[in-house]
Amino acid sequence: DAKTTQPTSMDCAEGRAANLPCNHSTISGNEYVYWYRQIHSQGPQYIIHGLKNNETNEMASLIITEDRKSSTLILPHATLRDTAVYYCIVRVAVNAGGTSYGKLTFGQGTILTVHP
Amino acid sequence: GAGVSQSPRYKVAKRGQDVALRCDPISGHVSLFWYQQALGQGPEFLTYFQNEAQLDKSGLPSDRFFAERPEGSVSTLKIQRTQQEDSAVYLCASSSRRMYGPFNTDTQYFGPGTRLTVL
Repeated sequence: DAKTTQPTSMDCAEGRAANLPCNHSTISGNEYVYWYRQIHSQGPQYIIHGLKNNETNEMASLIITEDRKSSTLILPHATLRDTAVYYCIVRVAVNAGGTSYGKLTFGQGTILTVHP
Repeated sequence: GAGVSQSPRYKVAKRGQDVALRCDPISGHVSLFWYQQALGQGPEFLTYFQNEAQLDKSGLPSDRFFAERPEGSVSTLKIQRTQQEDSAVYLCASSSRRMYGPFNTDTQYFGPGTRLTVL
């Protein structure tokens, strides 16, 4: 399975952009990069995903390097409510029961603290 | 619309008791996943269902853990003879796609989890 490496923790000032890096140097060509976050005592929340191109939605932007070995999640204007654990995941295709499904393997994630 | 729901949200069991945790996936989602999350760790995969078929149970830690989804919607995770090491948050997730292809995507949406404490 492709593994990801993220910093253990990061700080960001409220209103500034938060840039969360992730290394996935062993990613395969068909594997997507997913980002989830988990606020204390809640289930993981989907943020964004991408394959090759940069992606943007209402929550964040995802920048994937051309060689796909790393990516950066950008929260353009961080708020206190963005304080959470952010997980970068390479979704792997698993063959099971005669079909395939996408399996998420969570690491430790990055604890992002947004301060006033 | 309604997301994934789980019940109960909190469960306290005495060691040796059996517990049953329920997951209601998003309506129409054919894929359902269970995860276990120990304190301070990321979620770990337990098992995967496609409709009523349990296609992957490689993450179940022991034969005390059993999951079912008899009608392809609601799922139950049962833990028999609970042990203290079973204390964790149990998360359920669902996704919509029937088939997975190399360039297709199926985003998993998670419920709030059930926090199990075994005394």
